[in-house]
This record gives sequence, C-alpha cells and structure tokens, in this order.
Amino acid sequence: KNQVEQSPQSLIILEGKNCTLQCNYTVSPFSNLRWYKQDTGRGPVSLTIMTFSENTKSNGRYTATLDADTKQSSLHITASQLSDSASYICVVSGGYNKLIFGAGTRLAVHP
Amino acid sequence: DGGITQSPKYLFRKEGQNVTLSCEQNLNHDAMYWYRQDPGQGLRLIYYSQIVNDFQKGDIAEGYSVSREKKESFPLTVTSAQKNPTAFYLCASSLSSGDYYEQYFGPGTRLTVT
Repeated sequence: KNQVEQSPQSLIILEGKNCTLQCNYTVSPFSNLRWYKQDTGRGPVSLTIMTFSENTKSNGRYTATLDADTKQSSLHITASQLSDSASYICVVSGGYNKLIFGAGTRLAVHP
Repeated sequence: DGGITQSPKYLFRKEGQNVTLSCEQNLNHDAMYWYRQDPGQGLRLIYYSQIVNDFQKGDIAEGYSVSREKKESFPLTVTSAQKNPTAFYLCASSLSSGDYYEQYFGPGTRLTVT
C-alpha cells in the first residue's frame, strides 16, 4: 500500500534553533518528493520538489534531503523564526499524476 | 494579482442540503484538483480535471460532483449523499497534469454541516 509517514507528529522549538523533520515513504513507482508548508487555515505552499536523482535541495533556510534507496526524506530548518510555525507536509508523487500526502508535522516556534 | 481563489472561506449548511464550493484560477493552468483535509490525515483527492469539459474521480469521489465548463473555474458540489461532509476543502491547479508539475493551492473553504 502506498503510504507516506511523517515524524514527529508535532514539535516545539525555541526561536533561533534548528530542527529536522522526517518522512518515510512506501510509494511505488516513485516520481518525485515534495515538501509543503501549510499555515493554519491556509492552503499548502511548495518548499521543494526533488526527483530520484536529487539528494539535496535548498530553499532559503529550508534544506530537504532525499535517500531514494532507503525511501527517506528529511526537511531541515535552520535558525528558526516565529513565522516557521506551521504544518510541514511531505508528498510523494507515485506517477500517473498521483500524489500521496503525509499527515504532516506541526511545528511551533516559541520566542 | 494572480492565483487561486476559493469562496467562501467558511460555509455552514444543514444536513441534507447540497452546497457548492467555488474555485477560480487566473494562472492559465490546464489541470485543477479538489482535495479534502481532515485533522490528523493527509490530503485526499476528490476529483481532478486535466482539461476543460473533462474530469476524473479521485480516491474519495462518492457524494461529490464537479464541472469544468471554463478553464478558470472548477466548482465542487457536496451533495447530501456525502456521509461526513464537514472538512477543510482545498482546490489546486497545475500547468499540466504531468508528474513533475507544481500544484498551487487556494486558501481553502471550511465547510461545517450540522
């Protein structure tokens, strides 16, 4: 069964600290992996998209990694800001225009 | 101001009533999608349309209907047949329906049925 699992479910960190969110997937075939940021009550906004051949991609303070062999991805946030408080969703494209969404990690950044 | 708009942001309906959620995009995208988001779960695809006058069922189409008469518009009707309609509904669009195309999401409509 195609699944995307994210951990932790929720995370609290202090402003200025770094954090890493995890994503494991069992989607086959694999086309690409995406990370989205979703503010409460808003639509998701894309952070990165990575194909099979890419193992690192950055977008400002956000760096995503992909290990296609172990089917794992991580999203690292550097020098967190209060505005980083949001849910972060890992999405795997399984081909045929099929996106499999994880349940998300809810991040709270406290001053 | 380009993007995807959904209206209204909040919608309240009585059980047994049909309700239509609006989704408009001015990005000139061919493909449009409707997702449902429930607490603690990933987004689930309801319907998608790759081109005008064509649409396909997603994973949870039962109790929903759509139309795609114009490229810019993809309204979703939640019918009385949908058993648990209360949810956050997200519309998205992409330039095309291929695997690598970015999906851009609207701000969402929160539907509450009592």
